[in-house]
Amino acid sequence: DADVTQTPRNRITKTGKRIMLECSQTKGHDRMYWYRQDPGLGLRLIYYSFDVKDINKGEISDGYSVSRQAQAKFSLSLESAIPNQTALYFCATSDLQGPTETQYFGPGTRLLVL
Amino acid sequence: KNQVEQSPQSLIILEGKNCTLQCNYTVSPFSNLRWYKQDTGRGPVSLTIMTFSENTKSNGRYTATLDADTKQSSLHITASQLSDSASYICVVSADYGNNRLAFGKGNQVVVIP
Repeated sequence: DADVTQTPRNRITKTGKRIMLECSQTKGHDRMYWYRQDPGLGLRLIYYSFDVKDINKGEISDGYSVSRQAQAKFSLSLESAIPNQTALYFCATSDLQGPTETQYFGPGTRLLVL
Repeated sequence: KNQVEQSPQSLIILEGKNCTLQCNYTVSPFSNLRWYKQDTGRGPVSLTIMTFSENTKSNGRYTATLDADTKQSSLHITASQLSDSASYICVVSADYGNNRLAFGKGNQVVVIP
């Protein structure tokens, strides 16, 4: 079984709709992250959480919100989706253990906003 | 602004050949540098991680080097295989423990028979 899972894997929605992307992990990590990836661009951080109820804005948080109600789950919401939010979304986890902290990524959610 | 630049943007190589990918960064202060491999349609997977004091690290046929003085890193793939076709992403950490990561755009490698 995968350590970091994302649902749904693919989603098509219309402009203005509210959608939620879910991320679950079985690694027992405290830290969780949401990124988006666009063609020709590097991964960009949307939000991150270092513990339950801890929420921090990343580089591109506008138009997104997150919820961390449990250690194992971190959800990303688009309150009113717009076409330029069409992208590949990745959830990641990490457990800080010295200077070689590694992030473990989920399989991604491909989102299309029409 | 912290930046990570990777070259070449894309590369086609014959199966069995070697190749080298480059990563230059301006991130400061430097904490560590990682190389990830991302297969098409999948999430990135860590290949190597190097701290300031490390100048080379290997993972099978993948060997990463780091020159912290010139702020350059390379990833060398030896005896490439078709399964090496992927995007290779260089990620530099600016501040240990605070998630200040700078991502490169990736080197797209295609291995052909």
